[in-house]
Amino acid sequence: DGGITQSPKYLFRKEGQNVTLSCEQNLNHDAMYWYRQDPGQGLRLIYYSQIVNDFQKGDIAEGYSVSREKKESFPLTVTSAQKNPTAFYLCASSLKGGVDTQYFGPGTRLTVL
Amino acid sequence: AQSVTQLGSHVSVSEGALVLLRCNYSSSVPPYLSWYVQYPNQGLQLLLKYTSAATLVKGINGFEAEFKKSETSFHLTKPSAHMSDAAEYFCAVRYSGAGSYQLTFGKGTKLSVIP
Repeated sequence: DGGITQSPKYLFRKEGQNVTLSCEQNLNHDAMYWYRQDPGQGLRLIYYSQIVNDFQKGDIAEGYSVSREKKESFPLTVTSAQKNPTAFYLCASSLKGGVDTQYFGPGTRLTVL
Repeated sequence: AQSVTQLGSHVSVSEGALVLLRCNYSSSVPPYLSWYVQYPNQGLQLLLKYTSAATLVKGINGFEAEFKKSETSFHLTKPSAHMSDAAEYFCAVRYSGAGSYQLTFGKGTKLSVIP
């Protein structure tokens, strides 16, 4: 059953700690994306990767880091430099980039205490 | 900066009534347009997308959208609302040129369906 998995569903961390959110896809897609969603703000792009070992910053990359060592995995680290990390984080993938449909995972809700 | 505007953060309709969710984009060049739906605490699911083959696009769950270049609009409609349509809807736009891999999302419209 193909799809995108994000784990965990809910994550709690203390202020000042780094935390890594997992995103895995078995759709054999080349491109992967990370979005942040805040109430009433829509989705904002954090990072995207069009191919293994390559990624680009989106609109709000400050305080975040990513890696793309494998085609199926695109983990996101929320660092202590991110001023307001509490949000809903969504991972997506598409066959290539461009106009290909983006498929979304179920999301991870991060709460920093 | 290119943008996408969804008019109305919250829309309420009665069950069986017409659903109309508005989306306007800011470009003289028709971009790639799509609508996504999000149920509470879930990811987004594609409803439909405009590919320039036809101005009226049919999607899943009885939704459709019409691309109107003269109005720079891509409004989402459904003739008869069902309780299961209650969700948040996002219009997404991809503009050509630099950053064309990036989708720009509207802020969303939350649809409530009243029994």
